[in-house]
Amino acid sequence: KNQVEQSPQSLIILEGKNCTLQCNYTVSPFSNLRWYKQDTGRGPVSLTIMTFSENTKSNGRYTATLDADTKQSSLHITASQLSDSASYICVVSDRGSTLGRLYFGRGTQLTVWP
Amino acid sequence: EADIYQTPRYLVIGTGKKITLECSQTMGHDKMYWYQQDPGMELHLIHYSYGVNSTEKGDLSSESTVSRIRTEHFPLTLESARPSHTSQYLCASSDPGTGSRYEQYFGPGTRLTVT
Repeated sequence: KNQVEQSPQSLIILEGKNCTLQCNYTVSPFSNLRWYKQDTGRGPVSLTIMTFSENTKSNGRYTATLDADTKQSSLHITASQLSDSASYICVVSDRGSTLGRLYFGRGTQLTVWP
Repeated sequence: EADIYQTPRYLVIGTGKKITLECSQTMGHDKMYWYQQDPGMELHLIHYSYGVNSTEKGDLSSESTVSRIRTEHFPLTLESARPSHTSQYLCASSDPGTGSRYEQYFGPGTRLTVT
């Protein structure tokens, strides 16, 4: 069964600190992995997208890593800001259909305190 | 910022009412999607469209229906709303991308509450 599991479910950190969010998946055949940021009451916004051959991808203070062998990904946030408070969703796409089906994790709820 | 819009943003209605959630995009994307999301849960695909006059059901069974008469417009309709329909509904569209690296853009969502 294709699944995407994220940990931790929630996380609280102080402003300025770093944090790392985890994603494990069983989706096969794998196409690509995305990280989205979803603010409360808003739609998800794409942060990074990585294919099989990409091990790391950065977007400002966000750095995603991918280990396609172990089917694990992480999202590292550096020097956190209050605006980083949001849900971070790991999404894996398969290549078994023309639609490019997306499998969503439940997200990690990050709260940054001043 | 993605040019995809949803109205209304919030809707509270009584059981049995017919409602239409609007979604429009100005990016000229052929593929559009509707997702349902409950608090703390993953997004579930309920409908998608490859283009004009194309509509398909997603993975999560839904009593809603959709239509795609124009490229930019993908409305979702509930003929008779029930409390079990209470949820957040997210519309999305995707660009052609390169191979499987298409980007999916989400609207702000409609928070529906059926009393």
